[in-house]
Parts: sequence; structure tokens; C-alpha cells
Amino acid sequence: QKEVEQNSGPLSVPEGAIASLNCTYSDRGSQSFFWYRQYSGKSPELIMFIYSNGDKEDGRFTAQLNKASQYVSLLIRDSQPSDSATYLCAVLLMDSSYKLIFGSGTRLLVRP
Amino acid sequence: NAGVTQTPKFHILKTGQSMTLQCAQDMNHGYLSWYRQDPGMGLRRIHYSVAAGITDKGEVPDGYNVSRSNTEDFPLRLESAAPSQTSVYFCASSPSPEGELFFGEGSRLTVL
Repeated sequence: QKEVEQNSGPLSVPEGAIASLNCTYSDRGSQSFFWYRQYSGKSPELIMFIYSNGDKEDGRFTAQLNKASQYVSLLIRDSQPSDSATYLCAVLLMDSSYKLIFGSGTRLLVRP
Repeated sequence: NAGVTQTPKFHILKTGQSMTLQCAQDMNHGYLSWYRQDPGMGLRRIHYSVAAGITDKGEVPDGYNVSRSNTEDFPLRLESAAPSQTSVYFCASSPSPEGELFFGEGSRLTVL
């Protein structure tokens, strides 16, 4: 079992729809959770982070965390073609090595 | 403000050759790390440093060496390259090991 799992996709949604990206993790000691966006051929950039159970909203993006079920999700409202990218989920473990585990990413395609 | 600068962006070398990937940051960040990104594997940390003079192994350190003599620079050295080291390498910095990572543009390395 991978430490951080994501569906590779592609997830295809029409422009204006809500895109829902999911991520599960195996280590219950995980303390922080990050979503990075990576355009093809480019480097990852942080979209959101979340530490506590519940929802965190930032513009069109909402991160949701459920530690009991060990999943974190990212919702993108009013999806735009410019949102088409690979979304990487990353989980920071609570250990002395600051171990940040990345999922392999979900590719999102937003159709005009 | 350049952020994290990596050189070279592309390089091809033969099995057994050595080379150094350069990483320089101008954000005065204490934490620097090297990741490799392979299809279907996600980003995996190779080595990291929390301050000048301090380096530690990440999750996939074999075949790589690092050094950190100052705050800005964090070179990654391949002493005897192997085809399994064909990958895209990212250097990333952060003000703290638990925080947002700022990635360089990446170095695509091919070992023949």
C-alpha cells in the first residue's frame, strides 16, 4: 500500500463545474497536508495547506481534511481551462526527519 | 527575485560518469531539499539540509551526495551515474522544514 494514494486520472470536467480531487494516506501520525499544482513540464507550486479537520477555503479552492478516515480532498469551484494540470497531494509525517510524502498526482482536464 | 535556481536544465551523461546539479536560492531559507520525480512514483526526497553545515539523507539517497557550505547553495552530486538515475530533479527551499516548498524549475537528467 502506498503511503499517499491518488487516482491518476485524468479527471475530466466541463468548464464551470466543480472538480473534486481525493487523496488517502496511511500514516495516522501525519500532521500537515498540502496540495500542489503542477503544469506539464513545470515545477510544483503550492495551492493550499490544511492542518485541522474540516474545511479550509481560499477563493475557488476548498481543502477538506478527515483524519479519522485518513483522507484529504481538494475542491475547485467554477473550474477553468487554466486549472488543467496535475494536482499533487503531500502529507507531512510527524517525525524528526520532516518527511513529506507526495502522491503521484491526479491529472485534471477542464473542457471549454 | 530569482527564488530557486537550478542548473543545468537538461543534461545527458553516460553510465559511470559523474556530475553535479547546482541549486541556489536567494530567499534566505534555512531548509533545502532535493527531490526526484519519476512517472507514477511521485516526488521522492533524496537529501535535505536544515542549515548550512547540516545535511541528512532523505528517503532515496543511494548514489547521491550533497554538501551545504552556505545558506544559498545546495549542490547534488552523482558520483557514478546509473540509468536508474534518469529522472527530473527538483531542488526546493522553505523557511522551515514543515512549511511550503518553493521549487526550482527542475533539471532533466538522462543517463545512457
